[in-house]
Amino acid sequence: DIQMTQSPSSVSASVGDRVTITCRASQGISSRLAWYQQKPGKAPKLLIYAASSLQSGVSSRFSGSGSGTDFTLTVSSLQPEDFATYYCQQANSFPLTFGGGTKVEIK
Amino acid sequence: QVQLQESGPGLVKPSETLSLTCAVSGYSIANGYYWGWIRQPPGKGLEWIGSLFHGGNTYYNPSLKSRITISRDSSKNQFSLKLSSVTAADTAVYYCARHTAQFYFDYWGQGTLVTVSS
Repeated sequence: DIQMTQSPSSVSASVGDRVTITCRASQGISSRLAWYQQKPGKAPKLLIYAASSLQSGVSSRFSGSGSGTDFTLTVSSLQPEDFATYYCQQANSFPLTFGGGTKVEIK
Repeated sequence: QVQLQESGPGLVKPSETLSLTCAVSGYSIANGYYWGWIRQPPGKGLEWIGSLFHGGNTYYNPSLKSRITISRDSSKNQFSLKLSSVTAADTAVYYCARHTAQFYFDYWGQGTLVTVSS
């Protein structure tokens, strides 16, 4: 199985801050990576696929980069609705696996 | 607009079988995509359980494979999960979701909490 490791596990930030979350795969997955946002009591929402492609309807504040084993999700200017937990997911092979999550909290 | 809705018992006894159904609207599950199940224990992360390809093949998480069955009823446009011999460790919110051939989950159900307890 491909293990996905996210860091940090939590981050405190203010509205307007730039936030970067990293995700590392235990083996190379090319660009086959997705990022999801999850708010309390809600299902995850697809933000980014193929490492850097923005899902339709998602704010351009979100961007993704990376390939191989190292990936990043950046929120350029944090908005109140962006406080949530973010997960990466490798889309290279079954079994599909997720990172442990990064909680973005209000400072 | 594609919509998915999970249904099933919210409480299952230990050693019994958890059974959930996902009703899909806005797209025929027989026409394309994969249809999967993901779970999330309270306060924890996401775990992929398994997926059903529109052509009928199934793919299961090896960690659960011996206990899982995913099937479909195309006439009702729904697919189902059965997880046998449950324990408290199977307590989680269970989501059904659609994923692309590139394995990205683009539509999700709202999730249903299943508690395993006597």
